[in-house]
Amino acid sequence: AQSVTQPDIHITVSEGASLELRCNYSYGATPYLFWYVQSPGQGLQLLLKYFSGDTLVQGIKGFEAEFKRSQSSFNLRKPSVHWSDAAEYFCAVVPNQAGTALIFGKGTTLSVSS
Amino acid sequence: DGGITQSPKYLFRKEGQNVTLSCEQNLNHDAMYWYRQDPGQGLRLIYYSQIVNDFQKGDIAEGYSVSREKKESFPLTVTSAQKNPTAFYLCASSGTGAYGYTFGSGTRLTVV
Repeated sequence: AQSVTQPDIHITVSEGASLELRCNYSYGATPYLFWYVQSPGQGLQLLLKYFSGDTLVQGIKGFEAEFKRSQSSFNLRKPSVHWSDAAEYFCAVVPNQAGTALIFGKGTTLSVSS
Repeated sequence: DGGITQSPKYLFRKEGQNVTLSCEQNLNHDAMYWYRQDPGQGLRLIYYSQIVNDFQKGDIAEGYSVSREKKESFPLTVTSAQKNPTAFYLCASSGTGAYGYTFGSGTRLTVV
């Protein structure tokens, strides 16, 4: 079945450590790819997106993501995590064969320890 | 400023009652979407509309209905047929193709 998978439900990282959140998709053609962040009680904020071109995408707040076609992955990374990065992170795709609706993964909750 | 307005922010209803959630946008976006968010489930697509007077079911449309009579408005009705309606509901819109998604701030519906 076509889907977006975020394998890690919850990750805890020490402040200042590096972070990688995983995302895999199972669509035939390369979809459009997105990462969103949601703080408690807040709406969704777009971190970055990939449509085509350079497979390393820079986003806001120091985040980046790398598209790897061979692995059907779009992992989110940050070299040094800050306490304010604690939130829920969602990977999303638009399966661009038809329609424009974002399809979301189930999310990864990031906790930051001091 | 352009954006999406969802109202109300919190909504309480008795079991068995239909309830309509409002979503209005002034971004001149063609497409609009409704998502349901539950803990551990991510955002699941309920309905979407790419043009006025047309809409498609998403993954969890059962127990919900929508209308798209105006470009700016995409109300969602949670009917009594929805077995577990308590959730956080998010509305979104997008421009041409897959560009420029904008999300509303959500409505938290509690059915008692």
